[in-house]
Amino acid sequence: GEDVEQSLFLSVREGDSSVINCTYTDSSSTYLYWYKQEPGAGLQLLTYIFSNMDMKQDQRLTVLLNKKDKHLSLRIADTQTGDSAIYFCAENADSWGKLQFGAGTQVVVTP
Amino acid sequence: EPEVTQTPSHQVTQMGQEVILRCVPISNHLYFYWYRQILGQKVEFLVSFYNNEISEKSEIFDDQFSVERPDGSNFTLKIRSTKLEDSAMYFCASSQGADSPLHFGNGTRLTVT
Repeated sequence: GEDVEQSLFLSVREGDSSVINCTYTDSSSTYLYWYKQEPGAGLQLLTYIFSNMDMKQDQRLTVLLNKKDKHLSLRIADTQTGDSAIYFCAENADSWGKLQFGAGTQVVVTP
Repeated sequence: EPEVTQTPSHQVTQMGQEVILRCVPISNHLYFYWYRQILGQKVEFLVSFYNNEISEKSEIFDDQFSVERPDGSNFTLKIRSTKLEDSAMYFCASSQGADSPLHFGNGTRLTVT
């Protein structure tokens, strides 16, 4: 079946770049997503990428997609303390609205 | 920016009781979803809903669960007879089209005692 894997924890210094990695198994995914969850809050859609793209940039966020290796990454430039959160990778392999989520990567930004 | 709203933020109920979790999707969205996240586990798909009927449901979504769009703005998830293992964060989501990104609410934390 489909599976999405992420590393569980990332510590980064304020001002540095963060890179969060994700691997997925289903090559039929059409969209891949990054969601952010701050403590006590919901899942905020950060960005998403079509499977026919290999890169998408949105301000401080850069998404890279390697379809051959089934690897997705999210780079956050100039990481700020407000970026501390859990970041979830997700894919829609089976059908449009049925997302398969990773376990989430907790990003801690230190001063 | 329009957002999905969920109420209540926290619901405590006794085992065997019925609960209704409420959601107001984004107003021009046509597709609605429920997901849940048991503490320490991944976010899991429960059900998708379009045109007043269920489009797809997971194995978790058994006969104890039902969804409804009682009016033009609300979307509800009902659990008829709650079990301890139903304790989780329940997220509602909506999307404009079938191939549009999902926008999630802040979730309702359900605690079954």
